[in-house]
Amino acid sequence: QVQLQESGPGLVKPSETLSLTCTVSGGSISSYYWSWIRQPPGKGLEWIGYIYYSGSTNYNPSLKSRVTISVDTSKNQFSLKLSSVTAADTAVYYCARENYDILTGYSYFQHWGQGTLVTVSS
Amino acid sequence: SSELTQDPAVSVALGQTVRITCQGDSLRSYYASWYQQKPGQAPVLVIYGKNNRPSGIPDRFSGSSSGNTASLTITGAQAEDEADYYCNSRDSSGNHRVFGTGTKVTVL
Repeated sequence: QVQLQESGPGLVKPSETLSLTCTVSGGSISSYYWSWIRQPPGKGLEWIGYIYYSGSTNYNPSLKSRVTISVDTSKNQFSLKLSSVTAADTAVYYCARENYDILTGYSYFQHWGQGTLVTVSS
Repeated sequence: SSELTQDPAVSVALGQTVRITCQGDSLRSYYASWYQQKPGQAPVLVIYGKNNRPSGIPDRFSGSSSGNTASLTITGAQAEDEADYYCNSRDSSGNHRVFGTGTKVTVL
C-alpha cells in the first residue's frame, strides 16, 4: 500500500521560504505525477503544482512565480519550496499521487499524505 | 477564484438520495474526480473518470456528467457520509488542475 508522509517546519516567518518534503513508501516514485495541494484553515483545496518523476513540472499560475517542486528518485522523495510567504500561505499542505491513464484520459489523486500545518507568523 | 463551482451546502435525510454538482467549462472536455473530506482528515477519492469507484468505496456513491456539469450522487445516504465534497478537473486551459469550491453535505 502506497503511503505518503509530509515533513518540514510547522512555523515559517513572513518573507521567508517554506520548504516541505514528501516521502513515498510502499511503492516507487518512478512513474506517476506527484502533487502538492494546500488548504487554508476553514477553506477549500488549492492545487499548487506537480512534478513527474522525470523532473517535468506544472504549477498553478497564481503561485508559479514563487513555487519550485523537485524530486529525488534515489530517496523516493519530492519537495516543495514556496518563497516570500505571507500569512495567506498559512495552510495544511498535502502531498498526493496523481494517477493519469493516457488511454482513458482519467486523472485523479488516489493517494494522499495526512497533511502538515504550516503557519506563517513572526 | 476556482473555475469549478459547487453549491456551498446541501442536506439530505438519512437513507435518501442527494446529488452534488460541479460546474465548469472544462468539464465539457475532461472528467471530474470527487473527494470526500471529513474534519481533520485528508481527502479521500470516491469517484473518478466516467463513473469509477476505488476499492473500498461503497456502491451508493456514483458519478455522472453532462455538458459543463459533473455530478456525484449518494443513493441512500448514511450518517458517515456527512462531510465536505470536492470535485477536481482541469482549468479552462486544460493545462492545470483545479478543485471545485466544495460542498458541505449534512445528513439529517
